[in-house]
Amino acid sequence: EPEVTQTPSHQVTQMGQEVILRCVPISNHLYFYWYRQILGQKVEFLVSFYNNEISEKSEIFDDQFSVERPDGSNFTLKIRSTKLEDSAMYFCASQLLPGGSTTNEKLFFGSGTQLSVL
Amino acid sequence: DAKTTQPPSMDCAEGRAANLPCNHSTISGNEYVYWYRQIHSQGPQYIIHGLKNNETNEMASLIITEDRKSSTLILPHATLRDTAVYYCIVGYDMRFGAGTRLTVKP
Repeated sequence: EPEVTQTPSHQVTQMGQEVILRCVPISNHLYFYWYRQILGQKVEFLVSFYNNEISEKSEIFDDQFSVERPDGSNFTLKIRSTKLEDSAMYFCASQLLPGGSTTNEKLFFGSGTQLSVL
Repeated sequence: DAKTTQPPSMDCAEGRAANLPCNHSTISGNEYVYWYRQIHSQGPQYIIHGLKNNETNEMASLIITEDRKSSTLILPHATLRDTAVYYCIVGYDMRFGAGTRLTVKP
């Protein structure tokens, strides 16, 4: 079965540093997501991305966050100046069709990047 | 916030059916019901989805009430490996609630 690939699996950074989390969605998918999960808490939606622009974002996705699809295959999440509370598991997901289609499609999730901010 | 309500936890005996309920009373007519699960800290895994008819696949069955205000995920013969947090999601925005932590006991 096709997979969503996330790198790195673990990332340790100092507070205030910039980090880029990388994702390779499934190749024919069109709709992409980032979620985060703080230890012991629920999976939280950050942002969805379609047709090279943000489709929807949550209140968590503030100005320190940005997303990009730089080369048609990678999908990245950048955190400009990390804070201690950004420590979490970050999941990327991709979807064949955008939300709102008549058939709707399931999300495929990557294995996540565990971000630790010290 | 999520548009669904699920019990926070449930137990099930190994080999028995696990029936996980979900309330989604504000569901719109064209919104699908999706079920995912998360084992430990792995990425959530799709299980099944449906609109109004009952659905079955190799993993589970999904029963949606006629008024579509609630649904039940059925794992027909639960195993220890089915211990996970199960999430019911409604609609297009793909937001997760707190889910139900299912513990399958020997």
